[in-house]
Amino acid sequence: GEDVEQSLFLSVREGDSSVINCTYTDSSSTYLYWYKQEPGAGLQLLTYIFSNMDMKQDQRLTVLLNKKDKHLSLRIADTQTGDSAIYFCAERFTSGTYKYIFGTGTRLKVLA
Amino acid sequence: EAGVVQSPRYKIIEKKQPVAFWCNPISGHNTLYWYRQNLGQGPELLIRYENEEAVDDSQLPKDRFSAERLKGVDSTLKIQPAELGDSAVYLCASSPARLSNEQYFGPGTRLTVT
Repeated sequence: GEDVEQSLFLSVREGDSSVINCTYTDSSSTYLYWYKQEPGAGLQLLTYIFSNMDMKQDQRLTVLLNKKDKHLSLRIADTQTGDSAIYFCAERFTSGTYKYIFGTGTRLKVLA
Repeated sequence: EAGVVQSPRYKIIEKKQPVAFWCNPISGHNTLYWYRQNLGQGPELLIRYENEEAVDDSQLPKDRFSAERLKGVDSTLKIQPAELGDSAVYLCASSPARLSNEQYFGPGTRLTVT
């Protein structure tokens, strides 16, 4: 089945690390993504990981993938107020429809 | 380079009226997506184009929704007639090619049906 789940809210203090979690159900997906959405804007691709990888680091962002548990996480180091936004994880099938399935989004609030 | 352009940004209509949304993708991008984003939810795919061909429209409510991408560039999404449940943000996205991991979103059109 196709289902991507995320917790709804996360609040952290500026300078702390944020960890946003996601679970997916379809093991046939090959790529997993993290997008950021600021108010009134479209989604912005932050990073993605291929399903044969366990980890990917890109500056302040670290993506961890546990394929056995179908669990994906995004860690933001040294979280800033500008990181306040909604974060979506998404999975994509690279056969058939090549369709993206998005989670419901996690609203991150960074407290100064 | 300009990003994905959508217009209008906001639209308020009465139920049973028609409405149309326009999208201009990034130049050279062959793949174009239309998504609907309900409040508090992630985007859900309505239709995907490869050039001018609609290759995935399984989620498009074809009784009232239609889309076109003439000449494989700009695209229009139409709803006729609109229903209260159509209130949402309609997002357009484009990608260089079908297998590219780069998907660029426009700012969306917020539709309110009263």
